[in-house]
Amino acid sequence: AQKVTQAQTEISVVEKEDVTLDCVYETRDTTYYLFWYKQPPSGELVFLIRRNSFDEQNEISGRYSWNFQKSTSSFNFTITASQVVDSAVYFCALANYGGSQGNLIFGKGTKLSVKP
Amino acid sequence: GAVVSQHPSWVICKSGTSVKIECRSLDFQATTMFWYRQFPKQSLMLMATSNEGSKATYEQGVEKDKFLINHASLTLSTLTVTSAHPEDSSFYICSARLQGMLNTIYFGEGSWLTVV
Repeated sequence: AQKVTQAQTEISVVEKEDVTLDCVYETRDTTYYLFWYKQPPSGELVFLIRRNSFDEQNEISGRYSWNFQKSTSSFNFTITASQVVDSAVYFCALANYGGSQGNLIFGKGTKLSVKP
Repeated sequence: GAVVSQHPSWVICKSGTSVKIECRSLDFQATTMFWYRQFPKQSLMLMATSNEGSKATYEQGVEKDKFLINHASLTLSTLTVTSAHPEDSSFYICSARLQGMLNTIYFGEGSWLTVV
């Protein structure tokens, strides 16, 4: 079965702190994709990153970085020097490559609150 | 870039009436679209997979007679909530898969449905 676990329901930090959002996934597929989305209060999903299972290279995009570890089935997301605008719910998601037509399995989300 | 447009963004309807939500891929063809539902403070749950020219595939527990999905063209899928009840109040969001690109997925802006 496929599953995405975001154990942190809510995180609260003070501006400029670094924060890591955890994501652990389960899948029997050898080829799959992992995603992170940001959902602000308005509801729309903002795409942050997509990573395929063959690419374990960590990625950095500005203040955002992602650590993909196949050995622990984790795809953690770190925000460096957090800002108030980072406050949102963040979802980690999994899609398999072979049989699936592209539907995503979402974790329950982590609500991040960044206080000034 | 590719854009998926969802309409309406907000809708309030009376209990017992039906409401239609549209999901359009604006500059690409989408053979497959997905409909998700998100209850307050919860994750996104896949409701159904909509395939152009054929019947939608519903996830377990989703009533196909209540949530009618039509995917009549490569750029439009519609979700009709029939005989809506207050418990159907939710955030509905669609996604579209770029034809020929298995995991290039774009999300619409979402639709907030309130049934009074």
